[in-house]
Amino acid sequence: GESVGLHLPTLSVQEGDNSIINCAYSNSASDYFIWYKQESGKGPQFIIDIRSNMDKRQGQRVTVLLNKTVKHLSLQIAATQPGDSAVYFCAEKPGNNNDMRFGAGTRLTVKP
Amino acid sequence: NAGVMQNPRHLVRRRGQEARLRCSPMKGHSHVYWYRQLPEEGLKFMVYLQKENIIDESGMPKERFSAEFPKEGPSILRIQQVVRGDSAAYFCASSPPVRQETQYFGPGTRLLVL
Repeated sequence: GESVGLHLPTLSVQEGDNSIINCAYSNSASDYFIWYKQESGKGPQFIIDIRSNMDKRQGQRVTVLLNKTVKHLSLQIAATQPGDSAVYFCAEKPGNNNDMRFGAGTRLTVKP
Repeated sequence: NAGVMQNPRHLVRRRGQEARLRCSPMKGHSHVYWYRQLPEEGLKFMVYLQKENIIDESGMPKERFSAEFPKEGPSILRIQQVVRGDSAAYFCASSPPVRQETQYFGPGTRLLVL
């Protein structure tokens, strides 16, 4: 079936470097995407979202890129900090569904 | 403005008992979603409710699981006759009436079935 997936299960970066977390989706009907950050023992925290009529959106230190041609989503974190260490999930919402569909997540570890 | 509240945060049950998980959405939010998360996995959609209505329960097991969102009070996810396989983290999310896609999550209830 169609699903959201991630290219890498783990990512380790040096403090101060930029991080890029990738996500592949297969449902061409998805029109809304969200990146969530989940720290250990906590619920997912909204980071940034993007609609399918856009290909880039920037927030504070984060940028989401959407490539509909290859059904690819990425989250870029600038100047990664130890507090960014967490599991990052991308989630998609098909236009005719009520639920968000989550990938398995990428664990980001920031080394001091 | 308080976020999504869930209680209890941790719940231990023996096989065959009932588990009741509560969720209070953010102020002004009228849509509630329940998700289940196994360790090291993503969240799986279970059910979507508005006040007094179940909108989509396609992700919820047909037996032993039920959900409600009454006119007054929190949303309840109820698991009857729990089994070990029900052990998981259960997250509730809420969204406002207008931007229904943007879901904000609670801290979760971690259910352990002995």
